[in-house]
Amino acid sequence: DADVTQTPRNRITKTGKRIMLECSQTKGHDRMYWYRQDPGLGLRLIYYSFDVKDINKGEISDGYSVSRQAQAKFSLSLESAIPNQTALYFCATSVYSGKETDTQYFGPGTRLTVL
Amino acid sequence: AQKVTQAQTEISVVEKEDVTLDCVYETRDTTYYLFWYKQPPSGELVFLIRRNSFDEQNEISGRYSWNFQKSTSSFNFTITASQVVDSAVYFCALSEDWGSGGSYIPTFGRGTSLIVHP
Repeated sequence: DADVTQTPRNRITKTGKRIMLECSQTKGHDRMYWYRQDPGLGLRLIYYSFDVKDINKGEISDGYSVSRQAQAKFSLSLESAIPNQTALYFCATSVYSGKETDTQYFGPGTRLTVL
Repeated sequence: AQKVTQAQTEISVVEKEDVTLDCVYETRDTTYYLFWYKQPPSGELVFLIRRNSFDEQNEISGRYSWNFQKSTSSFNFTITASQVVDSAVYFCALSEDWGSGGSYIPTFGRGTSLIVHP
């Protein structure tokens, strides 16, 4: 089974709808992240969380919110989706210590289309 | 602030050619980590390598090799005898060390799309 899972994998929705993307991990990592990927723009950070009680905005948090329900779960919400939020969304996890410090492990991605 | 530049947007080669993907970074921190990730056409992001700023030794893993040079702030990735399966988008990333006051959030370059033709 995958260490980092995302649901749904694909979603088509309409402008104005509320959407939630979910991420779960079995890696035991404290840190979790949400990124969006747009062609030619690489990965841009939306939100990140270093533990259940720590939530931080990334470079493009407007229009998004997150919830860290447990160490293993980090969800991303679009309160009122708009077409320019059409993108590929990735969840990632990492640890802070040891040989894997800051190495990000990504989920398979969620392709979101907002019509 | 940290920054990663991958100047090559797309590279096209024929199978068996060697190819080097460039990565130039900027940081004011003395302790940092550099990474390469691969994104094949299927879309997932796969971790390839992590390098500590104190370790400038080049690394080779099969047909892959990485050349880390602090003097030029570069962390280039070479694929020897490229294969069609190497076709992917490759991302370079940098994170600054938490302990020395860095941002500790990885910054990604915009990626280089490698197309290997049979």
